[in-house]
Amino acid sequence: QAVVTQEPSLTVSPGGTVTLTCGSSTGAVTSGHFPYWFQQKPGQAPRTLIYDISNKHSWTPARFSGSLLGGKAALTLSGAQPEDEAEYYCLLSYGGPYVFGAGTKVTVL
Amino acid sequence: EVKLEESGGDLVQPGGSLRLTCTCAGSGCTFNSYEMNWVRQAPGKGLEWVSHISKSGAVTNYADSVKGRFTISRDNAKNSLYLRMNSLGGEDTAIYYCASSRPAGGAMDYWGQGTLVTVSS
Repeated sequence: QAVVTQEPSLTVSPGGTVTLTCGSSTGAVTSGHFPYWFQQKPGQAPRTLIYDISNKHSWTPARFSGSLLGGKAALTLSGAQPEDEAEYYCLLSYGGPYVFGAGTKVTVL
Repeated sequence: EVKLEESGGDLVQPGGSLRLTCTCAGSGCTFNSYEMNWVRQAPGKGLEWVSHISKSGAVTNYADSVKGRFTISRDNAKNSLYLRMNSLGGEDTAIYYCASSRPAGGAMDYWGQGTLVTVSS
């Protein structure tokens, strides 16, 4: 089974910018992996932020954006707010099975 | 908007069985147009994809950790998704979430609040 890699933790200053990445043990992440990004706060269900690399849901704040960067999927948070402190998970599709990354804990400090 | 609600979580003994249900409610629900998934989260751990079922129910996929023990199914007439879990062990203790795609496709766009399964003697 493939392994999806994420940074364990990142810190960003309020108003600052941070980029989270999502890599695959099988090689470069492509559009065919249909990358997703989720936000989860303690005690809450996950919430989908980004689907298919860069598409946003109606509830996704404009400060979040998705892309492919250097063979990985990336989630960029521009203008971080205190309420953005959370765990962020990426998800990749492998043509049947899905695999989550282990998550990135983002601290806004 | 899609509203998903899980039920059926309980305390069960090792080796036991349980069936989880996920119901799609609300005027925004067009259940037979959604791909559906079960995802779980063990206490203090990350998200783990468990199983997927296609819109018609004809195609199913399972994580290696549950293959042969869990069965996903759906009843589109009842707007309901199910997960039958057999031979449960402590490693299956988790919050189980159902997640649906968008009508246009996708994977996990809408999420329920989860139901807790505890496997313990």
